[in-house]
Amino acid sequence: DAGVTQSPTHLIKTRGQHVTLRCSPISGHKSVSWYQQVLGQGPQFIFQYYEKEERGRGNFPDRFSARQFPNYSSELNVNALLLGDSALYLCASSSGQFNTEAFFGQGTRLTVV
Amino acid sequence: GQNIDQPTEMTATEGAIVQINCTYQTSGFNGLFWYQQHAGEAPTFLSYNVLDGLEEKGRFSSFLSRSKGYSYLLLKELQMKDSASYLCAVRDRGNDYKLSFGAGTTVTVRA
Repeated sequence: DAGVTQSPTHLIKTRGQHVTLRCSPISGHKSVSWYQQVLGQGPQFIFQYYEKEERGRGNFPDRFSARQFPNYSSELNVNALLLGDSALYLCASSSGQFNTEAFFGQGTRLTVV
Repeated sequence: GQNIDQPTEMTATEGAIVQINCTYQTSGFNGLFWYQQHAGEAPTFLSYNVLDGLEEKGRFSSFLSRSKGYSYLLLKELQMKDSASYLCAVRDRGNDYKLSFGAGTTVTVRA
């Protein structure tokens, strides 16, 4: 069975540009969460989507947005990129909204130059 | 929000035991998680504690004391492949949808 898949794995963007990151959860999982991990720190929560609705939002500016599709895959969008947005973006899926175990994808390494 | 503290780095010898401590402050505790993360890879789930006591899974054990806001992860019979970052994460009853992570503890296993 495929795990959580994210694309692309690596990405280089210029300040001011827009980026879209994609995540496919484990088959049967309805919850997708997004986290940002800056080098040397733990992941920081950005969004959770469950059954295609936003269920939680972290302390990130409105430049960050996301959505979940009918097949439960998800996109994270970041507008007007800043150098500080350079990070590993992790997607985690779980079968329910409040499950005990979240499975992480390998992440997308975003570099803003 | 939560304050989650764990040591930055630890070094141990192959075959030894290492204990990684985690302290937290939260308004409504609803579970503590430990994840392992190798460099450049995704975090992988190790353990979950919601009640006080010790949970054992092979070479790894995790302990929780809710009254003290304290947990530890115990790694026994260390192997070189255990060299990784270990992340402590807490779920808050008021914000069940997210995990709040500590900065991680980098464990280096030496021969």
